[in-house]
Amino acid sequence: QKEVEQNSGPLSVPEGAIASLNCTYSDRGSQSFFWYRQYSGKSPELIMSIYSNGDKEDGRFTAQLNKASQYVSLLIRDSQPSDSATYLCAVNPGNQGGKLIFGQGTELSVKP
Amino acid sequence: EAGVVQSPRYKIIEKKQPVAFWCNPISGHNTLYWYLQNLGQGPELLIRYENEEAVDDSQLPKDRFSAERLKGVDSTLKIQPAELGDSAVYLCASSWGTDTQYFGPGTRLTVL
Repeated sequence: QKEVEQNSGPLSVPEGAIASLNCTYSDRGSQSFFWYRQYSGKSPELIMSIYSNGDKEDGRFTAQLNKASQYVSLLIRDSQPSDSATYLCAVNPGNQGGKLIFGQGTELSVKP
Repeated sequence: EAGVVQSPRYKIIEKKQPVAFWCNPISGHNTLYWYLQNLGQGPELLIRYENEEAVDDSQLPKDRFSAERLKGVDSTLKIQPAELGDSAVYLCASSWGTDTQYFGPGTRLTVL
């Protein structure tokens, strides 16, 4: 079992729809969780971080964390073609300093 | 504020040749990370520095890879000799402590 798992996609949604990206992790001691966006040929860019159970909203983005289910998700409302990218889920195990363990990423395609 | 700087951006070498990558972190960031990213995968940590000390190099293939961070600022990652399987993107990231990591643009290495 991989430590951080994501559906690789591609996930295709129409413009204006809600895109839902999911991630599960294996280490119950994990403390912090991040979503990075990576455009093709570019480096990862942080879009959301979440540390406690529940929802965290930032503009069109909402991160959801459920530590009991070891599940973290990212919702993108009113999806735009410019949101088309690979979304990487990253988890800090909590006992290894700042080490991040990344999932393989989910490719999102927003169709006009 | 300047971001993480990496050079070169692209490098093409023959197998068995040496290669070196350079990283300058965000000013004031004491923690520096080197990641390797294969196509279609998330980044994988190679080595993490806190100031000039390598605190996690468990994933660094020490038979051919080496890294240094003299004076706790810039860092160099070296491969000698390079193998075909080393073709990937090498990402440098920095943070203050275990806070949010910011990534540089990466070096795309092609080994022929």
